[in-house]
Amino acid sequence: EVHLVESGGGLVQPGGSLRLSCAASGFTFSSYAMSWVRQAPGKGLELVSSISHSDAGTYYADSVKGRFTISRDNSKNTVFLQLNSLRGDDTAVYYCATGSYQFGNWGRGTLVSVS
Amino acid sequence: QSALTQPPSASGSPGQSVTISCTGTSSDVGGYNRVSWYQQHPGKAPKLMIYEVSKRPSGVPDRFSGSKSGNTASLTVSGLQAEDEADYYCTSYAGSNNLAVFGGGTKLTVL
Repeated sequence: EVHLVESGGGLVQPGGSLRLSCAASGFTFSSYAMSWVRQAPGKGLELVSSISHSDAGTYYADSVKGRFTISRDNSKNTVFLQLNSLRGDDTAVYYCATGSYQFGNWGRGTLVSVS
Repeated sequence: QSALTQPPSASGSPGQSVTISCTGTSSDVGGYNRVSWYQQHPGKAPKLMIYEVSKRPSGVPDRFSGSKSGNTASLTVSGLQAEDEADYYCTSYAGSNNLAVFGGGTKLTVL
């Protein structure tokens, strides 16, 4: 069974930083692109960033380009999202998901609050 | 403003069918057969219900079906059940520069 567990969220001041992690199990992690999708309170879903299975290619939404960095460690079945220069509109639940444009499996999410 | 347009709400009685639309452009929905649909219950993570326009992942009831015509994709839920009450989001591949765009979501109410 596929299992994705996010961690690293919390309350941070504007301008601060956080590092989110997503630990994966139950599938061949190194064969899958991975993504971070966020959902602001009461709002819809937004693709924040994606990384190819081999770490060869990355994607960032315009809203986070230059501030967020995605990476992965295939030896540890983990994908990361470094969040820098955080702003109030980054407040959201951040979900880790398999895939890059269709998302087959999702974690439960981790809440990032910027205030 | 979301890249894909969905109606904010839809409703139907138990046993009825309801269709939710998702309208994009030739650069996303109309240009690729890579539309997917997600169900999200309150406080829960989204769940993939339909991928590549009309394919169902294992375990998704065949009451859920997807289709596409031009720049508009649709999700149909037949034989509505109380447990189908949730938010539904569509997404489409939009090329290497935009990757994936989401709809704003549709709240489905089972009357």
